[in-house]
Amino acid sequence: AQSVTQPDIHITVSEGASLELRCNYSYGATPYLFWYVQSPGQGLQLLLKYFSGDTLVQGIKGFEAEFKRSQSSFNLRKPSVHWSDAAEYFCAVGRMTTDSWGKFQFGAGTQVVVTP
Amino acid sequence: NAGVTQTPKFRILKIGQSMTLQCTQDMNHNYMYWYRQDPGMGLKLIYYSVGAGITDKGEVPNGYNVSRSTTEDFPLRLELAAPSQTSVYFCASKDRGNSPLHFGNGTRLTVT
Repeated sequence: AQSVTQPDIHITVSEGASLELRCNYSYGATPYLFWYVQSPGQGLQLLLKYFSGDTLVQGIKGFEAEFKRSQSSFNLRKPSVHWSDAAEYFCAVGRMTTDSWGKFQFGAGTQVVVTP
Repeated sequence: NAGVTQTPKFRILKIGQSMTLQCTQDMNHNYMYWYRQDPGMGLKLIYYSVGAGITDKGEVPNGYNVSRSTTEDFPLRLELAAPSQTSVYFCASKDRGNSPLHFGNGTRLTVT
């Protein structure tokens, strides 16, 4: 069965500092990986996705993530955090079955707080 | 671009009452989903649909029902509300193939 682990429930970072959010997955085949961000009272917005090819993927809002098959990880990074990056971040793994409906498993989320 | 629209945004129910959470999408996506989000638990799949007239259970379907009469709409029905159904509910849709989920802004439901 597929699973996703986000080891950090809560991270506090200073504005301008770098940010890295960890995501580990368990999956028997090549995974399809996603990072979503959720601002308070909002739905989940897609930051970036990995299906195949280059293991370093660029997303919106200056985020990037690196797929490391050997470590079963898909960590999210941002070089310099802005106050508006305060939100909850979810890692997800998708399984695209033959009928393509796609079963997604979400991590529990990491809450990011940005201090001045 | 409306995307996925959910109504209502907030609702308080008494135990045993029923209600329908509405979800509509204007992207002509075949695949639609209902998730619930509880603190520290991520998102759990309640029901999903691969097209009009076709629905199936997810991880946590008990206490819920769905229908899909059109491509655009995927309402979620709670028949006998229980306190355990207090949660934030998200509807999502997806295009064919290797594509991500698109989410609505959620419905916060409290059952007291």
